[in-house]
Amino acid sequence: NAGVTQTPKFRVLKTGQSMTLLCAQDMNHEYMYWYRQDPGMGLRLIHYSVGEGTTAKGEVPDGYNVSRLKKQNFLLGLESAAPSQTSVYFCASKRGGPFSGNTIYFGEGSWLTVV
Amino acid sequence: DAKTTQPPSMDCAEGRAANLPCNHSTISGNEYVYWYRQIHSQGPQYIIHGLKNNETNEMASLIITEDRKSSTLILPHATLRDTAVYYCIVRVVQAGTALIFGKGTTLSVSS
Repeated sequence: NAGVTQTPKFRVLKTGQSMTLLCAQDMNHEYMYWYRQDPGMGLRLIHYSVGEGTTAKGEVPDGYNVSRLKKQNFLLGLESAAPSQTSVYFCASKRGGPFSGNTIYFGEGSWLTVV
Repeated sequence: DAKTTQPPSMDCAEGRAANLPCNHSTISGNEYVYWYRQIHSQGPQYIIHGLKNNETNEMASLIITEDRKSSTLILPHATLRDTAVYYCIVRVVQAGTALIFGKGTTLSVSS
């Protein structure tokens, strides 16, 4: 199984450009998340989704937009990239239900550099 | 959410037990303790979780104090591949919640 797949894995953007990171999971999970990780720092939650068509803000949502049009996909958009958004981005998913489960599955990360 | 405190770094000799502490003195009754680890900028990996009883799986053991204000993750026989950042997270398990990661403990296992 592929699990959680992120594309692209590496990208260099110029300030002001826009781009979309795609996260796809094949585990039929309800919940999906986008985190960012800066050098030497822990992961910070950007946005998350508890189901198709729903999204919610995390700790650091400014400058990002997300969409969950299909259950298996969670898109993270940067409308006007800034150097402060240079980071590693991790997507994650987990199953839903009354007991929402213990295991979050993470993708391998997308390295984004904004120059 | 309860805040967690972990030492920034620890060292362990290969083959010895690694004991990683976590303080969560403000934990509430319905919050679980989760442990994840991240190896060299890969995506974090789930290790174990617990509410109040000690837990063990094929990767590690989790010891939670009786008052639940602290816990210890134990890797019984550390290997070089266990070198990673270990995150202790306290969170209510309910629909719509997400795990919030702190800075964790960097465990260095050496031969």
